[in-house]
Amino acid sequence: QSALTQPASVSGSPGQSITISCTGTSSDVGGYNFVSWYQQHPGKAPKLMIYEVNNRPSGVSNRFSGSKSGNTASLTISGLQAEDEADYYCNSFTSSPTLGVLFGGGTKLTVL
Amino acid sequence: QVQLQESGPGLVKPSETLSLSCTVSGGSIRPYYWSWIRQPPGKGLEWIGYIYYSGNTNYNPSLKSRVTISVDTSKNRFSLKLSSVTAADTAVYYCARALIVGATIEAFDIWGQGTLVTVSS
Repeated sequence: QSALTQPASVSGSPGQSITISCTGTSSDVGGYNFVSWYQQHPGKAPKLMIYEVNNRPSGVSNRFSGSKSGNTASLTISGLQAEDEADYYCNSFTSSPTLGVLFGGGTKLTVL
Repeated sequence: QVQLQESGPGLVKPSETLSLSCTVSGGSIRPYYWSWIRQPPGKGLEWIGYIYYSGNTNYNPSLKSRVTISVDTSKNRFSLKLSSVTAADTAVYYCARALIVGATIEAFDIWGQGTLVTVSS
């Protein structure tokens, strides 16, 4: 099982919007609406931010949104704030070679 | 609210077996799925496997030959054993609650704080 592909880093200024992509295959991202996104601050556990492509858990800011087109999922953060600076990981259910889970390699978001 | 806490040795010798436990507090281990995920220092996340409270399991194919996940519902706890470890198994190990729809893993909604396990002689 190969990891999903994410850009190593993205950056933006406070108030701007950024988008992080997550590319997989038809056996994972493209084949199912079970893509989730996690935020991880240094030394902390990951926190679920988006599930089922575009759903936010209770308590997560509506500045975070998700989408999917073909084999690529995306996380968009609008109105960037300093506290958004963190690593972000995508995650997808996969059916190849067996039923399981794949993570992306992670994207470091820097708020300039 | 539900909280997870990992416990176990922080240092394991090469070729030996890594053993960790995750205690669930603030809620029942039933009727959920529970997972182990690891993160080597400075690297990304890797799913290890999951277990249902009834004992059904599913493992990452790349680790399947070395992994055993078990559950003890009487102690509200589940455990990980990883055999024949090498330095490549050095990582922060997280336990997490898995949300599952049918046979598909939807997301991991609650995480433990993680515990660093170093493989070294």
